[in-house]
Amino acid sequence: EADIYQTPRYLVIGTGKKITLECSQTMGHDKMYWYQQDPGMELHLIHYSYGVNSTEKGDLSSESTVSRIRTEHFPLTLESARPSHTSQYLCASSEYRSTDTQYFGPGTRLTVL
Amino acid sequence: AQTVTQSQPEMSVQEAETVTLSCTYDTSENNYYLFWYKQPPSRQMILVIRQEAYKQQNATENRFSVNFQKAAKSFSLKISDSQLGDTAMYFCAFHEAAGNKLTFGGGTRVLVKP
Repeated sequence: EADIYQTPRYLVIGTGKKITLECSQTMGHDKMYWYQQDPGMELHLIHYSYGVNSTEKGDLSSESTVSRIRTEHFPLTLESARPSHTSQYLCASSEYRSTDTQYFGPGTRLTVL
Repeated sequence: AQTVTQSQPEMSVQEAETVTLSCTYDTSENNYYLFWYKQPPSRQMILVIRQEAYKQQNATENRFSVNFQKAAKSFSLKISDSQLGDTAMYFCAFHEAAGNKLTFGGGTRVLVKP
């Protein structure tokens, strides 16, 4: 399995809390991604990054924000969590070429009460 | 926009038998890449197999092989000699050669029965 890590693996929090989901990779990959996976298992791209100081929004509108200050780190932040944010969040990375294989982290399952 | 369709939500197969998962996609591009990813229960998503659209030869990876029909925009995955560890969600995915992202299908849940 690839060297990409996500913490926490599971998180249950109350509405209105600020949370940060961590994602780190040790492969030196330039590109990183965040996907939201709904209960039906379909994946939707919510953010991606080409490299340090680059962030882009994906297909699915999301109230989350991301940052990329270091190559290996791509955290996702929710300023004020709501029950509609309950989902699984998957982080992925790939080398710079756009068609390089993406390697996925184990995911964070978030439940907002 | 590209779309990827997996028409089989669930499939079951007996251990040691063969199962084929279907995937169709819609694109106006000529140069692209196709992937099958596997997501076992509570485990990481991993790449199973990858196909470049410009290659006519179907990709194979041990017990996994694809049937790539470019004109029909079809990309099926065959799992031969199914093993219990093959139980997982399988996602078909599409990537334009010049694009920025993977587009995933809705997934097919495969259950391998002993």
